[in-house]
Amino acid sequence: GAVVSQHPSRVICKSGTSVKIECRSLDFQATTMFWYRQFPKQSLMLMATSNEGSKATYEQGVEKDKFLINHASLTLSTLTVTSAHPEDSSFYICSAAGSNQPQHFGDGTRLSIL
Amino acid sequence: EDQVTQSPEALRLQEGESSSLNCSYTVSGLRGLFWYRQDPGKGPEFLFTLYSAGEEKEKERLKATLTKKESFLHITAPKPEDSATYLCAVPSSSYKLIFGSGTRLLVRP
Repeated sequence: GAVVSQHPSRVICKSGTSVKIECRSLDFQATTMFWYRQFPKQSLMLMATSNEGSKATYEQGVEKDKFLINHASLTLSTLTVTSAHPEDSSFYICSAAGSNQPQHFGDGTRLSIL
Repeated sequence: EDQVTQSPEALRLQEGESSSLNCSYTVSGLRGLFWYRQDPGKGPEFLFTLYSAGEEKEKERLKATLTKKESFLHITAPKPEDSATYLCAVPSSSYKLIFGSGTRLLVRP
């Protein structure tokens, strides 16, 4: 099946640090990538949608200056959490979708801000 | 408003005890219904896509069915390794996936 690689799997850092998370589609061209946030025992909450070569579309309530998304190629999207604070601690998951492909998800990044 | 509701929230089964998980949906024009499996600390793993009422898909001990209002994920003779959270989702009119809250399945040996 389609593989989406997400890196790093876990990050622990101090408050005020910016953290970059990478999402790669390994065996298909992802025209659209999605970034989700998931709280314990809750379902996935969509943060933003990004299409290759264009600006990301953010969901209501998601700060675009806080969560910077870059989708530079058909196989790579990055999410940068800028000046992270403890309330940004969460499980972040990306997914990728191509033509005739359902969304395939990465294994997530556990972000812990001290 | 597009909505997906899953039940039960949690389900405990003995190994070999078959059961079904429910996913009810309300969406303006069905563009497919997706089932995913999520293990703790992992991203969702794609299982099935169903597009039209009456369609069925099978994979090992899992079978997904679809009607005009809901989908069922039937688990036949489950094993402990089937323990996971099962998520269903439908695309909205803007093609964003709307997820249900999931069913946490625990299969005891």
